[in-house]
Amino acid sequence: DAKTTQPTSMDCAEGRAANLPCNHSTISGNEYVYWYRQIHSQGPQYIIHGLKNNETNEMASLIITEDRKSSTLILPHATLRDTAVYYCIVRAYSGNTPLVFGKGTRLSVIA
Amino acid sequence: KAGVTQTPRYLIKTRGQQVTLSCSPISGHRSVSWYQQTPGQGLQFLFEYFSETQRNKGNFPGRFSGRQFSNSRSEMNVSTLELGDSALYLCASSLGGQSTAFFGQGTRLTVV
Repeated sequence: DAKTTQPTSMDCAEGRAANLPCNHSTISGNEYVYWYRQIHSQGPQYIIHGLKNNETNEMASLIITEDRKSSTLILPHATLRDTAVYYCIVRAYSGNTPLVFGKGTRLSVIA
Repeated sequence: KAGVTQTPRYLIKTRGQQVTLSCSPISGHRSVSWYQQTPGQGLQFLFEYFSETQRNKGNFPGRFSGRQFSNSRSEMNVSTLELGDSALYLCASSLGGQSTAFFGQGTRLTVV
C-alpha cells in the first residue's frame, strides 16, 4: 500500500504557482520522497526527489518539512501542459524496493 | 539520449491468446521494472529484472512472466489472456538499486 496521502484533485490558474501537498507521516529515516506525474495515457514522468533538504530543478521545487512528515511540490508558473496526475511516493534509498503508487492528485491548470 | 522504448504502443488480443511486450531501457540502465495500470487498481508493480535476474515480484498470477536479455532489453509475457488484463503496461528503467526510474510511454493492451 502507498505510504502517502494526497488530495484527490486541485485546480490552479495558468501562470500561478501550483502547490501540491503530500502527507507521509510514517516516513522512515532511510526513505526519500519522490514525485512523478502522468499526463493522460502517457508513462509517468520523473519530476524530483529529496531526502530532507529542499530541492529545486528545472521543473519544480520540493519543500520537505523539518520533521519530514509532509512535503509540497511547487510548480512555479503552471501552464496548461502541467495538467496531469501527480504522484508522491516514499521509497527507501537502499535495498531493492519498487515504486508504490497511490491515487495521486489530479491537477487541472485552468486558462 | 534515447528514453525508454516500449513496443508495440497498442495491441488488441482475444481472450485465451498470449501476448509479448517489449521494453528497451535507457542506454546503460541494467534494471527494468514492469507495471500494470488499470482504472480500478491504478499503477501496480509486476516485476523487476536486473542483469537478467528477476529480483522482485508483485502480486500477480503466474500467467504474467518476464525475462531480460544480456543487452538489458526486457520482455513480458501474458498467457491465457483474460478481459481483465486489458490495461496500460508500463516499463521503467534505472541504473539499479534505488536509483531513479524512468518510464516508457507504455503499451495499451485491449483484450476482447
